[in-house]
Amino acid sequence: SSELTQDPAVSVALGQTVTITCQGDRLRRYYASWYQLKPGQAPVLVVYGKYNRPSGIPDRFSGSTSGGTASLTITGAQAEDEADYYCNSRDSSDNHYVFGSGTKVTVL
Amino acid sequence: EVQLVQSGAVVKKPGESLKISCKASGYSFTTYWIGWVRQVPGKGLEWMGIIYPGDSDTRYRPSFQGQVTISADKSISTAYLQWRGLKASDTAIYYCGRRGMDDAFDIWGQGTMVTVSS
Repeated sequence: SSELTQDPAVSVALGQTVTITCQGDRLRRYYASWYQLKPGQAPVLVVYGKYNRPSGIPDRFSGSTSGGTASLTITGAQAEDEADYYCNSRDSSDNHYVFGSGTKVTVL
Repeated sequence: EVQLVQSGAVVKKPGESLKISCKASGYSFTTYWIGWVRQVPGKGLEWMGIIYPGDSDTRYRPSFQGQVTISADKSISTAYLQWRGLKASDTAIYYCGRRGMDDAFDIWGQGTMVTVSS
């Protein structure tokens, strides 16, 4: 079982807002980072740290954290946002990392 | 440009050895950790381990300890993932990623597809 729990799938209408969550005890101590994964492509970091977004990532992607839950919000989802999204943080040993089980986002 | 470029897809037989590579460019290779991640077809991302090329400090996720070897060659800015006896269950895409600020992996290689089949 994963130490980071994500919902398997969510759907969102084009232009609407969707929030994906990631739950785990270690998130009370460490930030989560979020990755977008599309078939045949490398993972892309979309949100990290407290509220950070790498350069080149659209501002419709935002992150937040509260207690043991990290959230990724896509405000005004676009067709190109359809992908699998994974959270990542430290595991219970603090020496390694673990990915959540992933959330498939479908844009309708 | 900061980038990680991985070696190409390979097909191997069970029991064979393999070493795949991840070449860094555009930044100081010795000052950032490099991690390896596995994606079995149809499954999610799995964290395998990480290396600090500056001093070769290496940490393996327990489930991968003894199954693979992670190494780095500072002289050519390249990290490696190695197997000594491949199994069919090693069939997967393997990604390398650079650990940047706030524990996030900000740069990724394009992935290496490893197929193990008799």
